[in-house]
Amino acid sequence: GDSVTQKEGLVTLTEGLPVMLNCTYQTIYSNAFLFWYVHYLNESPRLLLKSSTDNKRTEHQGFHATLHKSSSSFHLQKSSAQLSDSALYYCALSLMQQGTGSKLSFGKGAKLTVSP
Amino acid sequence: NAGVIQTPRHKVTGKGQEATLWCEPISGHSAVFWYRQTIVQGLEFLTYFRNQAPIDDSGMPKERFSAQMPNQSHSTLKIQSTQPQDSAVYLCASLNWGGEDEQYFGPGTRLTVL
Repeated sequence: GDSVTQKEGLVTLTEGLPVMLNCTYQTIYSNAFLFWYVHYLNESPRLLLKSSTDNKRTEHQGFHATLHKSSSSFHLQKSSAQLSDSALYYCALSLMQQGTGSKLSFGKGAKLTVSP
Repeated sequence: NAGVIQTPRHKVTGKGQEATLWCEPISGHSAVFWYRQTIVQGLEFLTYFRNQAPIDDSGMPKERFSAQMPNQSHSTLKIQSTQPQDSAVYLCASLNWGGEDEQYFGPGTRLTVL
């Protein structure tokens, strides 16, 4: 079946250092949409980034990711971590048809903690 | 726009009791999804509805769990004979089917089974 793998469960960084959270996925279908959701403590998970286009960089709020279908990857990056980036980050896969939504298959998440 | 509303926010039940969780999607959204969040498994898909019809319940445990969407303004997730392993945060999300691909999540219901 479809699956998403996030290698890092816990990531601790010092403010100002770069962020890199890995995400790889498995699916036999070509119409894969990849998402990064961020879940701050005491808030609802919300969409951070999304992409379905191969080799195109997508950016939002200082974060960026590029979907590489050849390696089935969608790694999340940021050049300089901020204290406010501390949160749980989920990579997710959806197999949508004609741009309409479908269920999300999530990785196990990466808890990012940024310290001064 | 009040966002997705979930009630209650916290629920504590004794082992063997029933728990019913409620979700009110964003007005106008035609798809509702249920997920379960635990530290060990992360976010897991349970089931979803489109235009109130059940579409995919492949993530639902076969016993004790059921979900309904009796009208477009709310969905319920019912767990019968709750067990300690059912303790989790249950998240509901809604989506404007055919309009976009972003699911909007509610704050979740934290279920604790003693």
